Amino acid sequence: GDSVTQMEGPVTLSEEAFLTINCTYTATGYPSLFWYVQYPGEGLQLLLKATKADDKGSNKGFEATYRKETTSFHLEKGSVQVSDSAVYFCALTPGTYKYIFGTGTRLKVLA
Amino acid sequence: DVKVTQSSRYLVKRTGEKVFLECVQDMDHENMFWYRQDPGLGLRLIYFSYDVKMKEKGDIPEGYSVSREKKERFSLILESASTNQTSMYLCASSFIGGTNTGELFFGEGSRLTVL
Repeated sequence: GDSVTQMEGPVTLSEEAFLTINCTYTATGYPSLFWYVQYPGEGLQLLLKATKADDKGSNKGFEATYRKETTSFHLEKGSVQVSDSAVYFCALTPGTYKYIFGTGTRLKVLA
Repeated sequence: DVKVTQSSRYLVKRTGEKVFLECVQDMDHENMFWYRQDPGLGLRLIYFSYDVKMKEKGDIPEGYSVSREKKERFSLILESASTNQTSMYLCASSFIGGTNTGELFFGEGSRLTVL
């Protein structure tokens, strides 16, 4: 069945460091891919999305590229800030009512 | 902006009580969902609804029921709360069609503690 695997956390970085959070998926067809972010005490917010191969989603300095050949959707940011500290979820949907989430990666950015 | 509103951010209930968690969305979305979020387990789908009065079981429906009498409102009911239902509950809505890519829009969550 469909699945999403993302790297275990927590990830601890210093401010202005480069961030990569790995995400790989297994799915039939051409799912849409998402990154969600959850700040402490809040629900999930959509961070970025991509709907077809080679699409690049971007928002707030974060980027991720839909790589069908490697079934990956890695999240990157060139320079993280303390305010980026949160839990990040990779997710996919094949376009039905079904959504598959990764288990989340906690990011802590130190000043 | 799409808004999904959950009626209670924090609740404390006693074992055996009946608990209602309410969720309202203002974007005329057909699909609504209830998830449960626990440390180390990620998000698990309890129930979803694709239309008024329609519902489907998710991965962990035991101990829960839902109601969708109006399109904008989706309620989660714990008939007899138990301590293992202490968790963060997340409501979400979505629409697939046109240019929409089907992303989920989440409420802020309801943290339930059952004593």
